[in-house]
Amino acid sequence: AQTVTQSQPEMSVQEAETVTLSCTYDTSESDYYLFWYKQPPSRQMILVIRQEAYKQQNATENRFSVNFQKAAKSFSLKISDSQLGDAAMYFCAYRSPSNYQLIWGAGTKLIIKP
Amino acid sequence: DAGVIQSPRHEVTEMGQEVTLRCKPISGHDYLFWYRQTMMRGLELLIYFNNNVPIDDSGMPEDRFSAKMPNASFSTLKIQPSEPRDSAVYFCASSLAYNEQFFGPGTRLTVL
Repeated sequence: AQTVTQSQPEMSVQEAETVTLSCTYDTSESDYYLFWYKQPPSRQMILVIRQEAYKQQNATENRFSVNFQKAAKSFSLKISDSQLGDAAMYFCAYRSPSNYQLIWGAGTKLIIKP
Repeated sequence: DAGVIQSPRHEVTEMGQEVTLRCKPISGHDYLFWYRQTMMRGLELLIYFNNNVPIDDSGMPEDRFSAKMPNASFSTLKIQPSEPRDSAVYFCASSLAYNEQFFGPGTRLTVL
C-alpha cells in the first residue's frame, strides 16, 4: 500500500524568504500523481501544485515549485518570497492512476514571521 | 465559475438527531468525493461517486452514514443518528476524470 510521509509537523520562515517543505512517499507503481494542497485557517483545501510522475520537469506555479526526485521518492515544495498569506497547513498527497483515492500526508504547519 | 458549494457551513446538533450535509460539485465534473477531517485521524475518504454512481464506500464508518447523488449537480451525506464522535469537518470535492480534486469550503459539524 502507498504511504505519504511529511516529517516536519511545523516550519517557520521569515516573510520574503524561501522555505522548503518535505514529502516522501512509498509506492511500487511507476506512474502516479503527486499534489500539494494548502489549508489556511479558513479550512478551505486549495490545490497548490500537481506533478505527474512520468514528467521529468518539475512543476512550477508562480512562487511555488517542486523538487521531484522519483528515484528517491521525494516531492518537496519550495515557496519563494514567502508572504503572510502563505501561512497554512500544507498537505502532500499521492494518487494512483488506477484509483481515485488520494493518500494524504499528516501535514506541515507553515508559520510566516513578519 | 463557481467552485464546489457545501451547505451548511456550520451545523450544531444534539446526539441522536439526523444530520444532512449537502454538496454541489463543479459543473461538468464526473467524480465526487466526501471526506472527513479530524485532528486525530486527519483526512479520511468516506465515499466517492462516478457519474452519480457510488464506486467505493469502504471509508464510511458505519451504517449510520449514508450518501446519495441523485443527479450530477447534487449530493448529500446523511448521519442518522448522530453521535458526538461524528464531530468533524466534512469536505466535498469534485474532479474531472483523472484531474485534480477541487474541494468545497467544508461543513463543521458539532454533535453535542
